Amino acid sequence: GAVVSQHPSRVICKSGTSVKIECRSLDFQATTMFWYRQFPKQSLMLMATSNEGSKATYEQGVEKDKFLINHASLTLSTLTVTSAHPEDSSFYICSATALGLAGADTQYFGPGTRLTVL
Amino acid sequence: AQSVSQHNHHVILSEAASLELGCNYSYGGTVNLFWYVQYPGQHLQLLLKYFSGDPLVKGIKGFEAEFIKSKFSFNLRKPSVQWSDTAEYFCAVNAPNDYKLSFGAGTTVTVRA
Repeated sequence: GAVVSQHPSRVICKSGTSVKIECRSLDFQATTMFWYRQFPKQSLMLMATSNEGSKATYEQGVEKDKFLINHASLTLSTLTVTSAHPEDSSFYICSATALGLAGADTQYFGPGTRLTVL
Repeated sequence: AQSVSQHNHHVILSEAASLELGCNYSYGGTVNLFWYVQYPGQHLQLLLKYFSGDPLVKGIKGFEAEFIKSKFSFNLRKPSVQWSDTAEYFCAVNAPNDYKLSFGAGTTVTVRA
């Protein structure tokens, strides 16, 4: 149980275009989802926290107009990288947690999306 | 806010050797502690977690970790590693009911056959 999927797993786009990444909780309802960014050989950096039906909370230094997060349902959150530039190239990972799920303080991670902006 | 430090950046071992990875955190209150593993090309998986109770926690794949409150530490151990334990290991911390995790920088473990 507690499986989180992401789509796509890999995307290459041209500079200036927008890219949408989906994060789904497959077998539980995720009241809270998180978006992380991971640079090569580095740890995960939290970008934002999203709760179903409300606006995302962004970490300091993360541009909310550039990284649009929508958490429209209890099983789906999306991250849209708008007007992507090469410096946005990274590995984006989502995680999810849920009240009522055993170990509600535990986050379950998706497999990540590799974004390359040319 | 919490911060997490992992002492070793890269550890290289031979099969059957024992492994211990250090993790220290800074936070004055009650914390939840986690170790995650990321195998090459795969997503983060939970190895074990500590919320309360017995400070010696056993996880999957033969791993265990010990919470020492006085040292603000949560070191990960495995008595005998296998080649398949080659991976990146992350220590993470959050406060109870605050889902935001703070991660350490990670330790790359390479096990040589």
